[in-house]
Amino acid sequence: EIVLTQSPDFQSVTPKEKVTITCRASQSIGSSLHWYQQKPDQSPKLLIKYASQSFSGVPSRFSGSGSGTDFTLTINSLEAEDAATYYCHQSSSLPHTFGQGTKLEIK
Amino acid sequence: EVQLVESGGGLVQPGGSLRLSCAASGFTFSSYWMSWVRQAPGKGLEWVANIKQDGSEKYYVDSVKGRFTISRDNAKNSLYLQMNSLRAEDTAVYYCARIRWGLDAFDIWGQGTMVTVSS
Repeated sequence: EIVLTQSPDFQSVTPKEKVTITCRASQSIGSSLHWYQQKPDQSPKLLIKYASQSFSGVPSRFSGSGSGTDFTLTINSLEAEDAATYYCHQSSSLPHTFGQGTKLEIK
Repeated sequence: EVQLVESGGGLVQPGGSLRLSCAASGFTFSSYWMSWVRQAPGKGLEWVANIKQDGSEKYYVDSVKGRFTISRDNAKNSLYLQMNSLRAEDTAVYYCARIRWGLDAFDIWGQGTMVTVSS
């Protein structure tokens, strides 16, 4: 099973700040890494697929990069509505696995 | 509008059974693999099972193998999860999610249905 480790677990940030969340895989997964946003009491929503492809309708301030074992989700010019928990997910091999999540708090 | 709506959750005793349903609309259901993903209270996401478009391939996380069965009815645009021999650790919100093939991103999610296993 491929283990995904996100950092940080929690971050408190101010609006308009740039945020970077990282996800490290326990073995190489190519670009089969996806990012989701989950707001309180809502289901997850796909933001970025295959490391860097933005999903339809996602604001352009969200971007992704990386390959192999190290990946990054970047949020440029953070907005208050971005308060949420963010998860990475690998689909390189079964079982699908997720990172533990990164909770973003807006100051 | 593309939509997934889960139902069938509830309170069940340990060792009991429950069947979850997911109704799909707004897309050609029979063209997609489908998945179940769960989230225990206050915890992260865990993939549970996948099923191919025609139901010919099914995959499960080890912790539910032999207890859970994923199935679908393309004529009814519906996905199911039969859960038997339920344990306290199966307590979670269960989401159905759309996936283009077995190893892909989950691009559409339902709102989830809560399953509580407790005596």
